[in-house]
Amino acid sequence: SQTIHQWPATLVQPVGSPLSLECTVEGTSNPNLYWYRQAAGRGLQLLFYSVGIGQISSEVPQNLSASRPQDRQFILSSKKLLLSDSGFYLCAWTVLPLAGNTGELFFGEGSRLTVL
Amino acid sequence: GESVGLHLPTLSVQEGDNSIINCAYSNSASDYFIWYKQESGKGPQFIIDIRSNMDKRQGQRVTVLLNKTVKHLSLQIAATQPGDSAVYFCADCRDDKIIFGKGTRLHILP
Repeated sequence: SQTIHQWPATLVQPVGSPLSLECTVEGTSNPNLYWYRQAAGRGLQLLFYSVGIGQISSEVPQNLSASRPQDRQFILSSKKLLLSDSGFYLCAWTVLPLAGNTGELFFGEGSRLTVL
Repeated sequence: GESVGLHLPTLSVQEGDNSIINCAYSNSASDYFIWYKQESGKGPQFIIDIRSNMDKRQGQRVTVLLNKTVKHLSLQIAATQPGDSAVYFCADCRDDKIIFGKGTRLHILP
């Protein structure tokens, strides 16, 4: 069965420090991968998505970046965090509706980032 | 675009009544729509989906209606229960992008 792991679950970082959130998927191949951010009491904002190794699409200009060094690995990074980067970060994967797939997004457990 | 920066609107429903949660989308090219439920502190959970060539789909206690003419999507929950209390998001798929709507908080009144 497919699983998705995301870490760390919680972190507190000072302003200006770097960030690395990692997400890995097991049990599927060539998934579409996504990073979303959710501020407290807000909706889900799409940050990046990837349809293959090394292919990254950015949705919102910001000081974050994403990389996909392997088929089932998706990394969210920042060189210098801002206070506004605080939030709940969710990684997700899917195989879009093809040949009977539902296209459902499968989410990781989330990473709660607090920038002080 | 999606109002992801705004506080979520709230819908209050009496326990046992039906709930109707609405969502508007902007891109007529979207070909697939999904409803998610998010409980406090957790990631979103899939509820039901619908393809753009359909106008209605039913699940267990839930029905999704799609009106492509006015680009409107609704989620109906029958006999609302306390466990239905959560934030509900619609999402639409365009190419490889999955974009979430602003969400609605469903509050159940005893």
